[in-house]
Amino acid sequence: GAVVSQHPSRVICKSGTSVKIECRSLDFQATTMFWYRQFPKQSLMLMATSNEGSKATYEQGVEKDKFLINHASLTLSTLTVASAHPEDSSFYICSAGETGQQETQYFGPGTRLLVL
Amino acid sequence: GEDVEQSLFLSVREGDSSVINCTYTDSSSTYLYWYKQEPGAGLQLLTYIFSNMDMKQDQRLTVLLNKKDKHLSLRIADTQTGDSAIYFCAETLNDYKLSFGAGTTVTVRA
Repeated sequence: GAVVSQHPSRVICKSGTSVKIECRSLDFQATTMFWYRQFPKQSLMLMATSNEGSKATYEQGVEKDKFLINHASLTLSTLTVASAHPEDSSFYICSAGETGQQETQYFGPGTRLLVL
Repeated sequence: GEDVEQSLFLSVREGDSSVINCTYTDSSSTYLYWYKQEPGAGLQLLTYIFSNMDMKQDQRLTVLLNKKDKHLSLRIADTQTGDSAIYFCAETLNDYKLSFGAGTTVTVRA
C-alpha cells in the first residue's frame, strides 16, 4: 500500500515554543491531506483539511491561528502548533489519499507532542 | 459526541474468530472502514466497504454491512496474537473526511 511519513515522530518542547510537524506522501500525490488529533485511549478527532495550493479548512472549535497548516506541494503538508502549551500535548496523525482515489486514506505513523 | 459507536473491549482466545461491531448514524456515508492501531503507532487500513455492498471478504477478514440498521461488523478468522490491537470503525461522506468510533481494544489470549 501507499506510504505516508511524518516527522518528527516524537517531540518535547517548552511551553511557548512553536513546533512544526511534516506529513509526506512518499509514493503518490495528494491534493488533500487531513490532520487528526488523538488523546490517550481516545478516538481520532479531525482537526483540519489541508488543501494543496489553497487555505486549509478547519473543523469547528479548532483555532486556525494556533494550528497553522501549509500544503505547499502535492506530497507535503505541515502542521505548526504555534506557541504550544501543555494542553496541546497529544498524538497528531495525518492522512492522505492519492488524488482521484481518496476513498483510500493512508495514515502516517503519528507524532507525539509533549509540551512541558 | 461521536456518531460512530463501538464496544470498547473484546477478549478472544487464540485460534477463535473475533467479531467487532460498529453502528453509525449517517445514512449518507459512502464508505465504511476498519483501521487497526498498535500501541504508539499510526493507523493501518485493514479494509473498507462501499455502501452499496453487503459483504466483503479479504483473506481472514470479513466485513458485513447492514445498511438498514446502520450496522457494520468485522470478523477476523483464526485470531492470532498479532491481531491484538485497537480497531477503529470509521465512516466518510463525499469529502473523504473520516469520523471514527472510539475504538475496540482486542486482546488475544493464549
